[in-house]
Amino acid sequence: DSGVTQTPKHLITATGQRVTLRCSPRSGDLSVYWYQQSLDQGLQFLIHYYNGEERAKGNILERFSAQQFPDLHSELNLSSLELGDSALYFCASSPDPTGYEQFFGPGTRLTVL
Amino acid sequence: AQSVTQLDSQVPVFEEAPVELRCNYSSSVSVYLFWYVQYPNQGLQLLLKYLSGSTLVKSINGFEAEFNKSQTSFHLRKPSVHISDTAEYFCAVSGSARQLTFGSGTQLTVLP
Repeated sequence: DSGVTQTPKHLITATGQRVTLRCSPRSGDLSVYWYQQSLDQGLQFLIHYYNGEERAKGNILERFSAQQFPDLHSELNLSSLELGDSALYFCASSPDPTGYEQFFGPGTRLTVL
Repeated sequence: AQSVTQLDSQVPVFEEAPVELRCNYSSSVSVYLFWYVQYPNQGLQLLLKYLSGSTLVKSINGFEAEFNKSQTSFHLRKPSVHISDTAEYFCAVSGSARQLTFGSGTQLTVLP
């Protein structure tokens, strides 16, 4: 158990819908990273927050957005969902902005029908 | 920009045999290198990392990796594998931007 929690574990929804994925980092970790794992794209970095501020963006679509709240939990919002958004979404946390050791949550499996 | 290439998508090996999972990277800046393991239906777990210092790094469960700057490689090795080592292994690189760039993964299957 990494200490990072993600909810929900599974999510099934329809095209065009909007969903919110939630991540609670390890106690004391200020950095949160979001990754997408899909069969065709592999593991891709989406976005990094440190202590509430966005630090870096990767291959994140404009339909996707994220935020980190004062209590350090983070949410990833996915809207206008398409079939191709079906994937495993991982959150990782790190104690500092270097990100040299990231602890991954169990992931949220999103299925878009 | 940085990238990671894992040359083998699947590696089957018999129990107690040695194994090497290959990883090559490209980066224009100093890099930090990682191996993560993913067991079925689980998240990623850090196996070992190279940040600086000794180029040979070891994990607590017998894996080791060597950073080779001239060959831009960070291959993962274990002298004797167990059934429980069956999993997917990801090589990753982190540069100045801090986020991890992952390879495509290598499925290690240990056969009895």
